Amino acid sequence: EVQLLESGGGLDQPGGSLRLSCAASGFTFSSYAMSWVRQAPGKGLEWVSLITNSGNTYYADSVKGRFTISRDNSKNTLYLQMNSLRVEDTAVYYCAKPKDDVAAGIDYWGQGTLVTVSS
Amino acid sequence: QSALTQPASVSGSPGQSITISCTGTSSDVGGYKYVSWYQQHPGKAPKLMIYEVNYRPSGVSNRFSGSKSGNTASLTISGLQAEDEADYYCSSYTSSSTLCVFGTGTKVTVL
Repeated sequence: EVQLLESGGGLDQPGGSLRLSCAASGFTFSSYAMSWVRQAPGKGLEWVSLITNSGNTYYADSVKGRFTISRDNSKNTLYLQMNSLRVEDTAVYYCAKPKDDVAAGIDYWGQGTLVTVSS
Repeated sequence: QSALTQPASVSGSPGQSITISCTGTSSDVGGYKYVSWYQQHPGKAPKLMIYEVNYRPSGVSNRFSGSKSGNTASLTISGLQAEDEADYYCSSYTSSSTLCVFGTGTKVTVL
């Protein structure tokens, strides 16, 4: 059974930094791209970032230059380093596993971790 | 990259069929076969309902179907049931550097 377990969320001030982690199990982690998707309170889904199985990275314009996605295949763990946090980064952040074809949709989601940016 | 456009709300009575539209551009919805649809109940993670325009993952009811015409994709729910009441989001691959874009979301209400 595929499981994605996020951690690292919490409260931080504008300009601060947080690192989210996602522990994956139930599939061959190193073979798949992984992604982060966020949802601000009461708002819609927003794609944040993706890392391919070979390490290529992609970002939404809203986080480019501030967030860094990475993975540790030896630990089956996905990360999202978030720097220069803004109030508008407040959201539930979901760890997500795309289907075999990274463009074909996300077939597994974590339960999400809440990040709150406020002074 | 702007979000794909969906109606804010759609409603129907039990047993009826409803259709949710998702409008993009030739750089996303219209240019690729990679349109997905997600169902999200309050407080829950999204669930994949349709991928690659019209394919259903294993376990998803055949009451859900997808299609696309030009720059607009559609999700149809037939035989509407109370459990279908949820938010629905489309997404598409995009040729822009951002790779993926979601729709604005549609709240489905079962009357």
